Amino acid sequence: RKEVEQDPGPFNVPEGATVAFNCTYSNSASQSFFWYRQDCRKEPKLLMSVYSSGNEDGRFTAQLNRASQYISLLIRDSKLSDSATYLCVVYVSGGYNKLIFGAGTRLAVHP
Amino acid sequence: EADIYQTPRYLVIGTGKKITLECSQTMGHDKMYWYQQDPGMELHLIHYSYGVNSTEKGDLSSESTVSRIRTEHFPLTLESARPSHTSQYLCASSEERLGAIEQYFGPGTRLTVT
Repeated sequence: RKEVEQDPGPFNVPEGATVAFNCTYSNSASQSFFWYRQDCRKEPKLLMSVYSSGNEDGRFTAQLNRASQYISLLIRDSKLSDSATYLCVVYVSGGYNKLIFGAGTRLAVHP
Repeated sequence: EADIYQTPRYLVIGTGKKITLECSQTMGHDKMYWYQQDPGMELHLIHYSYGVNSTEKGDLSSESTVSRIRTEHFPLTLESARPSHTSQYLCASSEERLGAIEQYFGPGTRLTVT
């Protein structure tokens, strides 16, 4: 079983739609959580951190459920420019402090 | 924009050649990483370093080696390139701020071994 699991998609949505991605992680020692965005043939870039109380950044909302070991990302009013792969990332400390990347969920927003 | 650089951006090379992929960052980060990523696939950590003279192998076995003689520089070397090494190699560095870790990626080196 992978340490971070995501639905690979693709999610094909029209402009203006609301879309939600989910992610589950297996290591209960995970401390911090993030969503990264990766455009085709580009490097990943941090989209937002995920806080326990949930957080919002413009059209993007991230939620964390530690009990269920589950993270979500909601994108409202999708734009064509949102088309990308969204990577769920967890930070595990203790021994070997590192970021663990999910395989990503592809989003394609069409006109 | 993160100050992390990789050269070359693209490399096509024949089997058996020795290659070194360069990575440097000007942010003073102690932690640096190398990932391998095939098109449409997930990132795999192949090496990491927590500081000068510290290097460790990552989750994915790799025939490459790394060195960390200076904080800002983390080159990756393949002694004898093979077609199976064809992939994208991404270098990253990270810092911890307010208890959270943020990782910055370089633009990657797309390697093709013929």
